[in-house]
Amino acid sequence: GAGVSQSPSNKVTEKGKDVELRCDPISGHTALYWYRQSLGQGLEFLIYFQGNSAPDKSGLPSDRFSAERTGGSVSTLTIQRTQQEDSAVYLCASSLLYRAGGVIEQFFGPGTRLTVL
Amino acid sequence: DQQVKQNSPSLSVQEGRISILNCDYTNSMFDYFLWYKKYPAEGPTFLISISSIKDKNEDGRFTVFLNKSAKHLSLHIVPSQPGDSAVYFCAATWGNNDMRFGAGTRLTVKP
Repeated sequence: GAGVSQSPSNKVTEKGKDVELRCDPISGHTALYWYRQSLGQGLEFLIYFQGNSAPDKSGLPSDRFSAERTGGSVSTLTIQRTQQEDSAVYLCASSLLYRAGGVIEQFFGPGTRLTVL
Repeated sequence: DQQVKQNSPSLSVQEGRISILNCDYTNSMFDYFLWYKKYPAEGPTFLISISSIKDKNEDGRFTVFLNKSAKHLSLHIVPSQPGDSAVYFCAATWGNNDMRFGAGTRLTVKP
């Protein structure tokens, strides 16, 4: 498919376990973003990768959260020692690099619903 | 620090009438604004955008207005249709790929 894909679509885990969430961006998109949406909340920015630059990790809520992007394509968001408050929908998006005067639309995947019991 | 705010969590409108969704921002460096629409169990999809050098952008039934002095933008949907029922997110960026989203407004259009 041509869109952003995420896996798994649903993940149920026990408190204290580690989880990995995967994002496959649109081919050719060099910018990749992770957000999360908790129940009844808006989109919370987590981390942003732009090309080969160091990622912007300013949105990660704690050091239990980390993300990497291998080969400038696929990204993995890892949550260690999950807590119940980590339960949310985790959304990945990708876009082309910003061009002055251009549209910088982000294309979102369907999300991974994480439930921590 | 919530730089983009949507103070109305929900809005209900009759089919055929106008829907007005509001968004306020605090960072005067933002220079590009976008609206996204999200259906349940799907990721948000881009709807319409506006550059800070403009005060209005129209695309069919959707119009976005920007008031830079008030740091306020709004999305107008005319006429509203039941299929427009979704959560609408306002987003802003400041000349790069970094984007900040509001909390969203759930629009319900009643037949």
